[in-house]
Amino acid sequence: EDQVTQSPEALRLQEGESSSLNCSYTVSGLRGLFWYRQDPGKGPEFLFTLYSAGEEKEKERLKATLTKKESFLHITAPKPEDSATYLCAVQASGGSNYKLTFGKGTLLTVNP
Amino acid sequence: NAGVMQNPRHLVRRRGQEARLRCSPMKGHSHVYWYRQLPEEGLKFMVYLQKENIIDESGMPKERFSAEFPKEGPSILRIQQVVRGDSAAYFCASSPGDGVSGYTFGSGTRLTVV
Repeated sequence: EDQVTQSPEALRLQEGESSSLNCSYTVSGLRGLFWYRQDPGKGPEFLFTLYSAGEEKEKERLKATLTKKESFLHITAPKPEDSATYLCAVQASGGSNYKLTFGKGTLLTVNP
Repeated sequence: NAGVMQNPRHLVRRRGQEARLRCSPMKGHSHVYWYRQLPEEGLKFMVYLQKENIIDESGMPKERFSAEFPKEGPSILRIQQVVRGDSAAYFCASSPGDGVSGYTFGSGTRLTVV
């Protein structure tokens, strides 16, 4: 069974204090790893898709990286508006490749 | 707004009543997915539908839950005889089904059973 574990569960940073969120996964064959951002009362908002080990993607202050066992979401010089829950999900290759298996998320709070 | 539209945003039902959740996919998207988010839990897959077809309902409880995506109109997730444990946020996502594009999620329906 596919599994996704995110750590830490919660992270509190000062504005400008860079850090990383971790997503460890177990999947029979990886088709894609997704990062989403979720604000309170809203649905997940797509950030990145990574497909193979070694791949990196960047968007503003966020950079996602992928290895064979985990993914990191690096946040450089965060601002208060980066506060949200960050979700990681995997999509397996094979017959049910439309399903996303999500982790529980990391709640990021950036204080001014 | 060309995004995935879900309504109602909030729904309160008494135990034993029926809940109907609606989802209109993004324009051009013919594939709909429903996910449930329980408190302190991650999003869990429930069902995958295409127009007039249920492709995979393996994540949906066998009793009381049903889903449809008719030829015309929104996708409907129906929960009969709701119980307190059904209280959750229900999210709908859509995709064009091309196997490449990711999913776009709606803002969800928050169901509270009292």
